[in-house]
Amino acid sequence: SAVISQKPSRDICQRGTSLTIQCQVDSQVTMMFWYRQQPGQSLTLIATANQGSEATYESGFVIDKFPISRPNLTFSTLTVSNMSPEDSSIYLCSVEGGWGYGYTFGSGTRLTVV
Amino acid sequence: TQLLEQSPQFLSIQEGENLTVYCNSSSVFSSLQWYRQEPGEGPVLLVTVVTGGEVKKLKRLTFQFGDARKDSSLHITAAQPGDTGLYLCAGDPAGGSNYKLTFGKGTLLTVNP
Repeated sequence: SAVISQKPSRDICQRGTSLTIQCQVDSQVTMMFWYRQQPGQSLTLIATANQGSEATYESGFVIDKFPISRPNLTFSTLTVSNMSPEDSSIYLCSVEGGWGYGYTFGSGTRLTVV
Repeated sequence: TQLLEQSPQFLSIQEGENLTVYCNSSSVFSSLQWYRQEPGEGPVLLVTVVTGGEVKKLKRLTFQFGDARKDSSLHITAAQPGDTGLYLCAGDPAGGSNYKLTFGKGTLLTVNP
C-alpha cells in the first residue's frame, strides 16, 4: 500500500491567518482525499482532489476557505484560510489502496487556532 | 446520503474481556472497512469485507459482514491494553464510482490492565 508523508504534524495558529498542509505520496495516485476530524469525532470528507482539475468539495466546504492544489500525481496541499477557533481540528489526507485494500491515511495535522 | 450508525460510541473494559462493536445502515455497501486509529495517527486499515455473510479473522479480531451487506460487526476476544483506540467502520457505496467512503462516528475503546 502507498505511504503518505503529511506535514506539519501539528501547528498552533493565530485567528485570521492561513495554514497550508502538504501530503506527499510515494506512488502515483489519481485521487487524493482531504478529511477533517474534530476532537473525538469521526472523519468528514472535505474534498476530492484530482490531478489537473478543480477539486470537488463536499457540502459545507468551499474553495475560498479550503483551497486545494494538486500539481502532480504524488502531491497535494490543503490550505485552511482565514482561520477561526472553529477550524481547530485534525486534517487528514488519504488515497485509495485499490479494490479490497482500503484507504491509506496520512498521520494527520493537528491544528489549534487561538 | 448513506449513513453508518456505529455503536457503542464509548467502551471501557478490563483486560481479558470480550467485546463487540456494531455498524449498521439502511443502505447497501459494496464493501465495508474497519480501521483503528491511535492518538496522533491516521486511521489504519484492519480489514475489508466485500461478500454478504463474509467472516474474516485477524488474530483475536473477528469481522462479519451482514448477508444483505448493510451491517457489520467487530468482535474482539480477550481484549488487551494494546487494543485501545478509536475503531471506525467505513462503507463504500454500492454501485458508486465516486470512491467516497461513508464513516461511522467511531467507537472509542479503552482496555484497562
